[in-house]
Amino acid sequence: DAGITQSPRHKVTETGTPVTLRCHQTENHRYMYWYRQDPGHGLRLIHYSYGVKDTDKGEVSDGYSVSRSKTEDFLLTLESATSSQTSVYFCAISESYEGDTQYFGPGTRLTVL
Amino acid sequence: EDQVTQSPEALRLQEGESSSLNCSYTVSGLRGLFWYRQDPGKGPEFLFTLYSAGEEKEKERLKATLTKKESFLHITAPKPEDSATYLCAVQAVETSGSRLTFGEGTQLTVNP
Repeated sequence: DAGITQSPRHKVTETGTPVTLRCHQTENHRYMYWYRQDPGHGLRLIHYSYGVKDTDKGEVSDGYSVSRSKTEDFLLTLESATSSQTSVYFCAISESYEGDTQYFGPGTRLTVL
Repeated sequence: EDQVTQSPEALRLQEGESSSLNCSYTVSGLRGLFWYRQDPGKGPEFLFTLYSAGEEKEKERLKATLTKKESFLHITAPKPEDSATYLCAVQAVETSGSRLTFGEGTQLTVNP
């Protein structure tokens, strides 16, 4: 298994509060990704990183920000959580950019009340 | 816009009853097609990557094939432990951010 951990694994929060999810990898892969998984939509890319301090938006980035200060850590922040952000969040990593396999972490289940 | 459609949505098989899952895709140019397995409460687990039409890959009871419009995941003599949701994803040549576009999956149940 790829060395990817996510924390917390479960979180319940209230609308309007800030939330930060953490992804940690031990594979020294350059690329890291945040996806969300929702019924009826499948997995969708939120943000991705192509190196330390290098990030860009994905398909559903509104309401989310990310940071990557070290190769091994990629943080996803919901500045002011909304109920529409209730979802399961997955981190993924890959060695290279084009056509390379993405390996997924165990996920974080977030509930926004 | 890239699109991936998986069928059927759900499939029930008896142990040993072979079948196939379908993944139809529309992309401007295919860079790669990926198959994942996902167990309840877990992250997707990588199975195969296919890059060009005619390519085939096998792993134990699973075999993935690719044409210009679809991919099949063939399951031969399945066992109950093969029960899971199988996800198909594509990466297009012109996609920014190396994004994978996923289908909604096929939920496979194999009864003993």
